[in-house]
Amino acid sequence: EIVMTQSPATLSVSPGERATLSCRASESVSTNLAWYQQKAGQAPRLLISGASTRATGIPARFSGRGSGTEFTLTISSLQSEDFAVYYCQQYNDWPPLTFGGGTTVEIK
Amino acid sequence: QVHLQQWGAGLLKPSETLSLTCGVYGGSLSGYYWGWIRQPPGKGLEWIGEISHSTSTNYNPSLKSRVSISVDTSKNQFSLKLNSVTAADTAVYYCARGREVATLFGWFDPWGQGTLVTVSS
Repeated sequence: EIVMTQSPATLSVSPGERATLSCRASESVSTNLAWYQQKAGQAPRLLISGASTRATGIPARFSGRGSGTEFTLTISSLQSEDFAVYYCQQYNDWPPLTFGGGTTVEIK
Repeated sequence: QVHLQQWGAGLLKPSETLSLTCGVYGGSLSGYYWGWIRQPPGKGLEWIGEISHSTSTNYNPSLKSRVSISVDTSKNQFSLKLNSVTAADTAVYYCARGREVATLFGWFDPWGQGTLVTVSS
């Protein structure tokens, strides 16, 4: 089973600032990685697939990069609606499909 | 635009069977796998399994002995059963559209609204 590790667990950022979230895979997943945003009481929402392709309707301030075992999600200028929990998910080697433990982006 | 709506019992006793259904609206089941994912309170996401419109299934090995996913193409919906539940199965359960049938690789989009299932005596 591929283990996905996200860091940091919590990121405190001021509105307008840049946020960089990390996701590491226990073995290579190529670019078969997705990022999701989850707000309190809501279902996760797909942000990025293929490590760097934004989903339909996702603002350009969200960007993903990486391949192999190291990935990052960057939010270039945090808006109030971006404070949430973010998860990465690998779909390269399964079953099982696996998710990271999440990073909470909170208001500083 | 595909929309998923899910329903099912929210309170179970230990040893009972969890049963949830997810309706697919605005699109067909054909061409995709349809999955279930769960999230214990305050914790992360765990993939349960998936099914295609042709009833091909894949399950998380950790749950495989207790899980069954089925599909009803006439109603455009798919269902999850998890038997012999314990308190450890308490979670919000989500349905979601997964990968295209023609590929081994895929993510989840869109998701259902989630159903909190609590297991308590």
